Amino acid sequence: RKEVEQDPGPFNVPEGATVAFNCTYSNSASQSFFWYRQDCRKEPKLLMSVYSSGNEDGRFTAQLNRASQYISLLIRDSKLSDSATYLCVVNMNNYGQNFVFGPGTRLSVLP
Amino acid sequence: DTGVSQNPRHKITKRGQNVTFRCDPISEHNRLYWYRQTLGQGPEFLTYFQNEAQLEKSRLLSDRFSAERPKGSFSTLEIQRTEQGDSAMYLCASSPGGVNTEAFFGQGTRLTVV
Repeated sequence: RKEVEQDPGPFNVPEGATVAFNCTYSNSASQSFFWYRQDCRKEPKLLMSVYSSGNEDGRFTAQLNRASQYISLLIRDSKLSDSATYLCVVNMNNYGQNFVFGPGTRLSVLP
Repeated sequence: DTGVSQNPRHKITKRGQNVTFRCDPISEHNRLYWYRQTLGQGPEFLTYFQNEAQLEKSRLLSDRFSAERPKGSFSTLEIQRTEQGDSAMYLCASSPGGVNTEAFFGQGTRLTVV
């Protein structure tokens, strides 16, 4: 089993749609969790950190379920500019030393 | 520019040649990471430094790969006797101390081995 797994994608959705991405991780001792966004041929950039209580940033909502070792990202009212690959990232040890990336889920928002 | 800087941005080399990449992290960050990314995949962890100490290496880092961070500031990644399978984007990231802090990435060095 891979350490971090994500929905395979791609997701093709119309503008204004709501889309949800799922991620699971294998190490129950993982301490911190993130969603990164990567545009084509660019470096990954932090979209948001994921906290146990769940957190929201505008149209984006992240949830963490430690018992199920599951992370989600919800995008509401999707925009053309949301088209990118979304990477689930987990710090796999207690010392925050090792950021492990999922394979990414590609999103295309269509006009 | 106070972000993570990588040089060169692109490198084309013949199989069998050695290449070296440089990463300058954000100045106050003591943690530095190297990743490799191929098309359609997420970044794969290669190695990690805390200050000048190399604390973790992936099994992906064969004997042909070596990384240094001699003064705890910039880092270099060298690939000896390059192979076509080494063609990828090599990403460097840095982060400050602490468990819940994110990593900041440089723009990467795209290596093509011909």
